[in-house]
Amino acid sequence: DQQVKQNSPSLSVQEGRISILNCDYTNSMFDYFLWYKKYPAEGPTFLISISSIKDKNEDGRFTVFLNKSAKHLSLHIVPSQPGDSAVYFCAASAVGNQFYFGTGTSLTVIP
Amino acid sequence: NAGVTQTPKFQVLKTGQSMTLQCAQDMNHNSMYWYRQDPGMGLRLIYYSASEGTTDKGEVPDGYNVSRLKKQNFLLGLESAAPSQTSVYFCASSNGLAFQETQYFGPGTRLLVL
Repeated sequence: DQQVKQNSPSLSVQEGRISILNCDYTNSMFDYFLWYKKYPAEGPTFLISISSIKDKNEDGRFTVFLNKSAKHLSLHIVPSQPGDSAVYFCAASAVGNQFYFGTGTSLTVIP
Repeated sequence: NAGVTQTPKFQVLKTGQSMTLQCAQDMNHNSMYWYRQDPGMGLRLIYYSASEGTTDKGEVPDGYNVSRLKKQNFLLGLESAAPSQTSVYFCASSNGLAFQETQYFGPGTRLLVL
C-alpha cells in the first residue's frame, strides 16, 4: 500500500509560469519530507526538504508547502524554466526511519 | 569527486542466474542504501547499511543479499534471478546515521531478467 502518493503522473507548464506538484501521504507519523528531481538516465538528486515543525520552506525558485492536517505537501517552482523538465519525486519519513517515495510526476516546461 | 557510482549500467540475465551489482561512493559516507524502481511505483528500499560491516533489511529484501565489507562499497547480490527482479536499481549514500541526512544517488543499473 502506497504511503506516499503523487496522483498526477505528468504536468506541462509554459516557461515563466508556476509549476505546482502535489504529494499526499497517509502515515501521520511522517515528520520529514523531501523532493527529489530526476533526469533520464541519472539518479535522483535532492532538491528541497521540510520538517513537520514548518509549513513552508524556500530555496530560490523552489518552495515546499506542508499541510499536516490534510497530509499534503506541494512543490512550487516559480518561474518555471525548460531545464526544470524532469521527474519529481516526493519522499517522507518518520525521523530515523526509511524514506517512502511517491511514484513521481513528470514535469515538462514548454519554451 | 565522482559521488556515487554503479556498475554495470545495464545487464541482461536469464532466470536462475546470479549476479552482483556494485556501488561505490567517494564521499566517506557512513550509510548506504539499495533501492529498486518499478513502473508505477516509487523507489522501494531493499537493504541498507548504517556502517561498514552492518546491513539491515528494507521494505523488499526477498531474493537479495548484500555486503558492506568496505566503507566505500555496498554490493547487492541476486543469487537466483527471477523475472520479478527486472527493475532499475539505485544505490545511495548519506552521511551520519541512516535516514538522518540527505541521500545521494547513483545513476542506476537497469536489470532485465528473461
